[in-house]
Amino acid sequence: RKEVEQDPGPFNVPEGATVAFNCTYSNSASQSFFWYRQDCRKEPKLLMSVYSSGNEDGRFTAQLNRASQYISLLIRDSKLSDSATYLCVVTLTSGTYKYIFGTGTRLKVLA
Amino acid sequence: EAGVAQSPRYKIIEKRQSVAFWCNPISGHATLYWYQQILGQGPKLLIQFQNNGVVDDSQLPKDRFSAERLKGVDSTLKIQPAKLEDSAVYLCASSLGAQLEKLFFGSGTQLSVL
Repeated sequence: RKEVEQDPGPFNVPEGATVAFNCTYSNSASQSFFWYRQDCRKEPKLLMSVYSSGNEDGRFTAQLNRASQYISLLIRDSKLSDSATYLCVVTLTSGTYKYIFGTGTRLKVLA
Repeated sequence: EAGVAQSPRYKIIEKRQSVAFWCNPISGHATLYWYQQILGQGPKLLIQFQNNGVVDDSQLPKDRFSAERLKGVDSTLKIQPAKLEDSAVYLCASSLGAQLEKLFFGSGTQLSVL
């Protein structure tokens, strides 16, 4: 089983739609959680951290369910500019501090 | 603030040749990472440095890959000899070093091995 699993997509949604991505992780000792965004042929950039209580940043909402070991990202009112790959990132401390990336979920927002 | 600098941006080589990538992290960032990202996959950690010491190289194919971070600043990643399956984007990232720190990525080096 992969340490971090995501549906690779692509998710094709019309502008204005709401879309949600899930990510599951295998190690219950995982400590911190993030969503990164990666545009085509670009480097990943931090979108938002994910907190146990859930957090929101404009149209983006992230949630964490430690009991079920999954993280979600909700995008409301999708824009064309939201088209990208969304990478789920989990951290572990096992001697060293490690960031583990999922495969990413591709989103295409259509006009 | 200057970001993470990487060079070259692109590299095309034939199998069995050697190649080297260079990274200059953000000033003051103690932790430096090299990731390999194969098309359609997420970044995979190759090696992690804390200052000039290696803290994790468990996924580095040591028979062909090597990396160093002299003086705890710049880093070089080398592949010798390259294989077809090494074709990927090689991303360098840095962070201040503390837990929960944001990773800053360079723009990467796209390697094609023919």
